[in-house]
Amino acid sequence: QQQVKQSPQSLIVQKGGISIINCAYENTAFDYFPWYQQFPGKGPALLIAIRPDVSEKKEGRFTISFNKSAKQFSLHIMDSQPGDSATYFCAALTIGSNYKLTFGKGTLLTVNP
Amino acid sequence: DADVTQTPRNRITKTGKRIMLECSQTKGHDRMYWYRQDPGLGLRLIYYSFDVKDINKGEISDGYSVSRQAQAKFSLSLESAIPNQTALYFCATSATRQGNQPQHFGDGTRLSIL
Repeated sequence: QQQVKQSPQSLIVQKGGISIINCAYENTAFDYFPWYQQFPGKGPALLIAIRPDVSEKKEGRFTISFNKSAKQFSLHIMDSQPGDSATYFCAALTIGSNYKLTFGKGTLLTVNP
Repeated sequence: DADVTQTPRNRITKTGKRIMLECSQTKGHDRMYWYRQDPGLGLRLIYYSFDVKDINKGEISDGYSVSRQAQAKFSLSLESAIPNQTALYFCATSATRQGNQPQHFGDGTRLSIL
């Protein structure tokens, strides 16, 4: 049972464009939703995260939009740059429980110059 | 220096061999995790440990074992490696004391089993 579904699997965007990655979850007990960024040869690194009591969180060019009723959240990368080319993972966990992260399958983002 | 160090970074071995992957951390975190990453499948949890005396199975623990030798060290063993265990393996850490403290990952071990 895949608890966090991520789409698309791959995404190609031109420099300066907007990259959008979507995730949907099933477990309503999830209460923390981080996004991880992974470059080739490196481990995933936390990019930005959101709690379900807010609908949007912005950090620089990266924004998470959260729709609790639809059980969906998305990552928007504004003014995408070639240096943003990486694999992005959404994830979810339940704070106060076992702190196990459930990951989406990942999106390979390529930003063309 | 990396906060979460995995050794070796790459390993090629043969079916049936015993393999140990090691992870050490200098972050002072109490929780440690082992994940496996396969193309198109994301990261899947193998084992996790909340302290030296607490070891828990993840979603894909069959064929693997772990040892938490100290708060800073967590090793993953494949007792008799098989080709479908070829993957990228990641160790991660997190701190209990900080609520939604995110997990911090090492740079991975690429394991190939022939």
